[in-house]
Amino acid sequence: GAGVSQTPSNKVTEKGKYVELRCDPISGHTALYWYRQSLGQGPEFLIYFQGTGAADDSGLPNDRFFAVRPEGSVSTLKIQRTERGDSAVYLCASSLGFFESLNEQFFGPGTRLTVL
Amino acid sequence: EDQVTQSPEALRLQEGESSSLNCSYTVSGLRGLFWYRQDPGKGPEFLFTLYSAGEEKEKERLKATLTKKESFLHITAPKPEDSATYLCAVGFGNEKLTFGTGTRLTIIP
Repeated sequence: GAGVSQTPSNKVTEKGKYVELRCDPISGHTALYWYRQSLGQGPEFLIYFQGTGAADDSGLPNDRFFAVRPEGSVSTLKIQRTERGDSAVYLCASSLGFFESLNEQFFGPGTRLTVL
Repeated sequence: EDQVTQSPEALRLQEGESSSLNCSYTVSGLRGLFWYRQDPGKGPEFLFTLYSAGEEKEKERLKATLTKKESFLHITAPKPEDSATYLCAVGFGNEKLTFGTGTRLTIIP
């Protein structure tokens, strides 16, 4: 598959548990983004990676959220001590990552997280 | 801070009835304007990028236009398969995209 893939597609967990969401970007894309989308809303930015480093994490809501991209390809979004308010669709996107250019971001299908 | 507003929130059209969706924005500095289509349960699908006022892009029954303050997505003779939520967003370089809340379009056969 040539597109962005995300696993799992659905995740149901209990309040207080730890979850990991995985994103596999388009091959060759250096920039990777995480967004969160609530029902009836547009995606909201969480964090952006350029290569292995987090270039902008200003959208992470609090220190329970953390993301890594250790080899500059696959990324994992980690949520500790989940709360019911964390329930949403978590979207991953990737782009070519050229600076000072209009880089289209291509999105994966998302992971629907439900915290009971 | 960039702000994006889309209208209407929802639009129902008969098959073949042309219309337009609006995206207005306030941004600081250079920004591109991006249109996406989102089907239920799926991620946003890229449609168009616009950058300069007066720019237009077309794809099948869709045409996107851009002014200094807003963008329109024109839908000509829509078909039921055009039913989806249409999102617009602004961004530049490797910055985040700032999205509007979308217009939910329903085409009735």
